[in-house]
Amino acid sequence: SQQGEEDPQALSIQEGENATMNCSYKTSINNLQWYRQNSGRGLVHLILIRSNEREKHSGRLRVTLDTSKKSSSLLITASRAADTASYFCATGSYTGNQFYFGTGTSLTVIP
Amino acid sequence: KAGVTQTPRYLIKTRGQQVTLSCSPISGHRSVSWYQQTPGQGLQFLFEYFSETQRNKGNFPGRFSGRQFSNSRSEMNVSTLELGDSALYLCASSQYSGSSYEQYFGPGTRLTVT
Repeated sequence: SQQGEEDPQALSIQEGENATMNCSYKTSINNLQWYRQNSGRGLVHLILIRSNEREKHSGRLRVTLDTSKKSSSLLITASRAADTASYFCATGSYTGNQFYFGTGTSLTVIP
Repeated sequence: KAGVTQTPRYLIKTRGQQVTLSCSPISGHRSVSWYQQTPGQGLQFLFEYFSETQRNKGNFPGRFSGRQFSNSRSEMNVSTLELGDSALYLCASSQYSGSSYEQYFGPGTRLTVT
């Protein structure tokens, strides 16, 4: 399967702490995207990082990509209760617009 | 710009029936992809349409089909529904930006098969 895997499956932290989740994948990629999903709703696009990039920032989000290890991490700094959601990574191939999603990390931020 | 819209939002059907779901992409986006999300299998790619042509296809049986119209709106059809087809069906529209596609998702259609 080309599906990625997120680690941990679930994470619970206090408001104000940082949250780190990891994504591993199996094949070479063109890009990797992170999404957030609130309880059975649609996915919200957070950030895209291309295969020739190593790090990207967007607000409180920091994403790293290590193509040699086929892994990526998403760091959310100074977490808020509103960050409670499931987070997914999706890998984009070179062969077109087809994405493979990881299994997701369920993040709970306790106020 | 308006986001991706999907209709209906919720649907209850009976085994053996067929269902059609609709997706309107973001204005200007020509690529529409469909995904199935279930607790057991996670998010799985169904197919992608671009300029009215199916460009990519996931590993789903032929009961799952789709099409795209000239205005980029897309429909997905599932025939002979099975209990296991109960899922959240997500549509994503994409734009090509700097050698990569960025996907934007709709709110999904929750299908329950009884």
